[in-house]
Amino acid sequence: TQLLEQSPQFLSIQEGENLTVYCNSSSVFSSLQWYRQEPGEGPVLLVTVVTGGEVKKLKRLTFQFGDARKDSSLHITAAQPGDTGLYLCAALTQGGSEKLVFGKGTKLTVNP
Amino acid sequence: NAGVMQNPRHLVRRRGQEARLRCSPMKGHSHVYWYRQLPEEGLKFMVYLQKENIIDESGMPKERFSAEFPKEGPSILRIQQVVRGDSAAYFCASSPSRARNTEAFFGQGTRLTVV
Repeated sequence: TQLLEQSPQFLSIQEGENLTVYCNSSSVFSSLQWYRQEPGEGPVLLVTVVTGGEVKKLKRLTFQFGDARKDSSLHITAAQPGDTGLYLCAALTQGGSEKLVFGKGTKLTVNP
Repeated sequence: NAGVMQNPRHLVRRRGQEARLRCSPMKGHSHVYWYRQLPEEGLKFMVYLQKENIIDESGMPKERFSAEFPKEGPSILRIQQVVRGDSAAYFCASSPSRARNTEAFFGQGTRLTVV
């Protein structure tokens, strides 16, 4: 079973459109991170959300952590071709070694 | 500041050979994580190491795979007697501590192809 479920798996949109991708779980997390990965590269951290209900903005990207700290969303306004990539959510497991576990990601393509 | 350095970037091995993947963490980082990524998949945790210690190897296959992070030098992920199913991208990440919410920084990965 996947600890973090991301949806949609694939998304192809036109430049200028808005989009939202989701990261859901039945588990509660102390924090959740969003990464973007481009082909042939490693994931790059975009944001860490910590507090339930928290909203963070990064230029055209808006990240929200659910009130119950079980889910998160990423909203992109006026998408650009440079936003193309694999968006991954990740969370620290509770207790033990606190390793970072990842969802399978949403592969976003923004067409010019 | 140099980021997390992984080498080689690409590695081709024949079935049965050994693969050694190296990871030099960011300066000042003493915690290293290894992940494996298959095509169209997220990253799967393999092992978490501190200098000279394996903290969590719950994601490592029981056979053929081993990892170390010596006092001096890079962390090494070693795969013995590789098989086609080992073909994947292997990523290393490092962090300065294991404090909650500490950010981890990833290298560019090593793409292993077993032929």
